[in-house]
Amino acid sequence: NAGVTQTPKFRVLKTGQSMTLLCAQDMNHEYMYWYRQDPGMGLRLIHYSVGEGTTAKGEVPDGYNVSRLKKQNFLLGLESAAPSQTSVYFCASSSSSPQFFGPGTRLTVL
Amino acid sequence: TQLLEQSPQFLSIQEGENLTVYCNSSSVFSSLQWYRQEPGEGPVLLVTVVTGGEVKKLKRLTFQFGDARKDSSLHITAAQPGDTGLYLCAAPKGGSNYKLTFGKGTLLTVNP
Repeated sequence: NAGVTQTPKFRVLKTGQSMTLLCAQDMNHEYMYWYRQDPGMGLRLIHYSVGEGTTAKGEVPDGYNVSRLKKQNFLLGLESAAPSQTSVYFCASSSSSPQFFGPGTRLTVL
Repeated sequence: TQLLEQSPQFLSIQEGENLTVYCNSSSVFSSLQWYRQEPGEGPVLLVTVVTGGEVKKLKRLTFQFGDARKDSSLHITAAQPGDTGLYLCAAPKGGSNYKLTFGKGTLLTVNP
């Protein structure tokens, strides 16, 4: 039982490049979330999903897209990376509450 | 907007000392969660408090939910270096029970 896993763990992008972060959970949770964590800003919700095939915007959705084609996976995409998207990204899942978090992806955009 | 204010923002203490960190809001919450995040890891749930006035103990950690369900505290007795981490409080957001609002956290360093 791996819980919530994220790939990759680290990534460096140049401005304008695109990439996809993958989140997988093996707990059969309905809800999945993407957060970013920046110093002094806490955890901020980017997008979330209440079930397979659904997505919704969180607090800071601009510049990101998501997809939930399978219940166990939640993908976060950056179409054209900007330096302001340098952050640590966390995926989480839940059946309701509480949430279970992955280990994070540290993304640097140069 | 439901805001959770955590204090202090930073705390550095010596091993063996006691400490209390706080999570305050002007809003009433149905429940409140405390998470600990160790360096390089994701947050991990420590406890959920539900009832006003509730006290829960987890070894050397004591969690209290305020009578009015607007605030909470975490007290650590005889802190150890393994307690080092970011302590986050979180509460259900906007009437849902699956979306959470997080405080910015208290970064605790326990020095040997």
